Amino acid sequence: AQSVTQLGSHVSVSEGALVLLRCNYSSSVPPYLFWYVQYPNQGLQLLLKYTTGATLVKGINGFEAEFKKSETSFHLTKPSAHMSDAAEYFCAVSDGGSSNTGKLIFGQGTTLQVKP
Amino acid sequence: DAMVIQNPRYQVTQFGKPVTLSCSQTLNHNVMYWYQQKSSQAPKLLFHYYDKDFNNEADTPDNFQSRRPNTSFCFLDIRSPGLGDAAMYLCATSKKGSYNEQFFGPGTRLTVL
Repeated sequence: AQSVTQLGSHVSVSEGALVLLRCNYSSSVPPYLFWYVQYPNQGLQLLLKYTTGATLVKGINGFEAEFKKSETSFHLTKPSAHMSDAAEYFCAVSDGGSSNTGKLIFGQGTTLQVKP
Repeated sequence: DAMVIQNPRYQVTQFGKPVTLSCSQTLNHNVMYWYQQKSSQAPKLLFHYYDKDFNNEADTPDNFQSRRPNTSFCFLDIRSPGLGDAAMYLCATSKKGSYNEQFFGPGTRLTVL
């Protein structure tokens, strides 16, 4: 069965500093991985995804993530934090790999605070 | 733009009074989901439709029901809302063969008085 662990429920960085949000997964099949962002009182928005191919994936708003199979990780990074990046971030893995069983398994979420 | 729409954005109901939340999509996706999200928690899947096939999560209370009259629309019915059902309800869609990449609506914030 698939599972996702996000290390750190709350991360605080200064504006302009590196953002690093950690995600580790467990999957019995080739994983398909996603990062979503959620702003207050809004739905989830896809930041980026890894399905196949290049292990370093770039997303919206300057975020990127690297799939590391040996470490079962998919950490999210951004070189320079902006105040507008303050939000909740969720890592997710597709349940069932490519068989499309219809579900995503979400991590617990990480709240990113950006200090001026 | 293709999108997932939820109405209303904010819903207030009374304890025990039935309420229906609405979701529509212009993406023509064949899978639709309903999630419940409480403060500072991950979304919790209640059920999903794979085309017309209804899939209920084992721990979804009987108080929650869903209808999908056609590809575009899906409804969440809460038959007798309790105070514990106050939450954000999120609708999402995905396309068959897309690795379960999901597109979310803006959510409906439900308050139970």
